[in-house]
Amino acid sequence: DTEVTQTPKHLVMGMTNKKSLKCEQHMGHRAMYWYKQKAKKPPELMFVYSYEKLSINESVPSRFSPECPNSSLLNLHLHALQPEDSALYLCASSQGGHLLDGYTFGSGTRLTVV
Amino acid sequence: GQQVMQIPQYQHVQEGEDFTTYCNSSTTLSNIQWYKQRPGGHPVFLIQLVKSGEVKKQKRLTFQFGEAKKNSSLHITATQTTDVGTYFCAGPNQAGTALIFGKGTTLSVSS
Repeated sequence: DTEVTQTPKHLVMGMTNKKSLKCEQHMGHRAMYWYKQKAKKPPELMFVYSYEKLSINESVPSRFSPECPNSSLLNLHLHALQPEDSALYLCASSQGGHLLDGYTFGSGTRLTVV
Repeated sequence: GQQVMQIPQYQHVQEGEDFTTYCNSSTTLSNIQWYKQRPGGHPVFLIQLVKSGEVKKQKRLTFQFGEAKKNSSLHITATQTTDVGTYFCAGPNQAGTALIFGKGTTLSVSS
């Protein structure tokens, strides 16, 4: 299995809702990432998990809460989002967590906040 | 702060013409990676360059890493409609924990 699977593919949520994005990989990769991508922009780093520990949080608002239950799973919990949070949320993984490995990206969750 | 810049932002070519995108970093990079994102798709890893002056080829694609390890280029020979998409370069962030992406070059090809 050489894929990163993200669910759901599309999500529409209200500003008072709580939802979760899920990401799963079975490649034995030990680093997983959340990126946010707005239209016609590059992916922007949100969170990094390396060996199931949060190793960096790029000053992301607390309405985004990551969780890494085990080395294969990564969740992003969403609460009280704003319309400007509408974007493509990409999960990625890499083999060892050091930056000599290419990333494998999931197909993303396209989030719309209304 | 650390920046990875790419030019041009957009490029339109006729099928069969060549295409080049350039990537420049404000700091020396330990390595640089290239990704392709098709319209409506997700980034797909193409290649990684590590050594100063390194050149790698993948069929019609040629990747170069500058001698000072602060710049890189991707050249496509004889473009095809399947080359359409946005090409991103990416380098390690200052903490060395994740990749930061250049703004990308979006290639369109008309037949």
